[in-house]
Amino acid sequence: DGGITQSPKYLFRKEGQNVTLSCEQNLNHDAMYWYRQDPGQGLRLIYYSQIVNDFQKGDIAEGYSVSREKKESFPLTVTSAQKNPTAFYLCASSTGTGGWSNQPQHFGDGTRLSIL
Amino acid sequence: GQQVMQIPQYQHVQEGEDFTTYCNSSTTLSNIQWYKQRPGGHPVFLIQLVKSGEVKKQKRLTFQFGEAKKNSSLHITATQTTDVGTYFCAGFGYKLSFGAGTTVTVRA
Repeated sequence: DGGITQSPKYLFRKEGQNVTLSCEQNLNHDAMYWYRQDPGQGLRLIYYSQIVNDFQKGDIAEGYSVSREKKESFPLTVTSAQKNPTAFYLCASSTGTGGWSNQPQHFGDGTRLSIL
Repeated sequence: GQQVMQIPQYQHVQEGEDFTTYCNSSTTLSNIQWYKQRPGGHPVFLIQLVKSGEVKKQKRLTFQFGEAKKNSSLHITATQTTDVGTYFCAGFGYKLSFGAGTTVTVRA
């Protein structure tokens, strides 16, 4: 069954610690995205990748980093520089290459990150 | 830059009543998408509108794209408890921008 798998479902971060959120898709989609969701603020784009080995910053990239070494995988690292990391993180993917995709996005179940 | 605004932020509806949520863009859009997120879940794609003035229906949900392609609406008739959740619009201009969503609660 095709889809997007995010892990872990819940994650706790200590002060000064970097944590990595996993996102894997088997939809054969070229484009992948990371969003942050806070109550009442909708979805804010952190990073996106249109193709393997390429990614661009979104609206709130500071304190985050990504890699896209494989088409199926787009992990997000929340670094210690991100001072307010508590949020719901959603990974998504879509078809389309050669520019920002206007195709519908498929989302994973998300990871809830909290500060200890 | 491209901004998508959605109103109202919250909608409390009596079961069986109708309601509408509205989406407005600061720029002309090439398409608009609607998503639904159930409480504790993730956004799920509902529909995409592309043409000026386009109207699409999914059972009790009616989606409309404005003539100027800068606004859209979602109208739900005879609201049911299964309609609970947050409805997001996402407009594509030069990128896909999500509105803040309308969170719907239903009184039985």
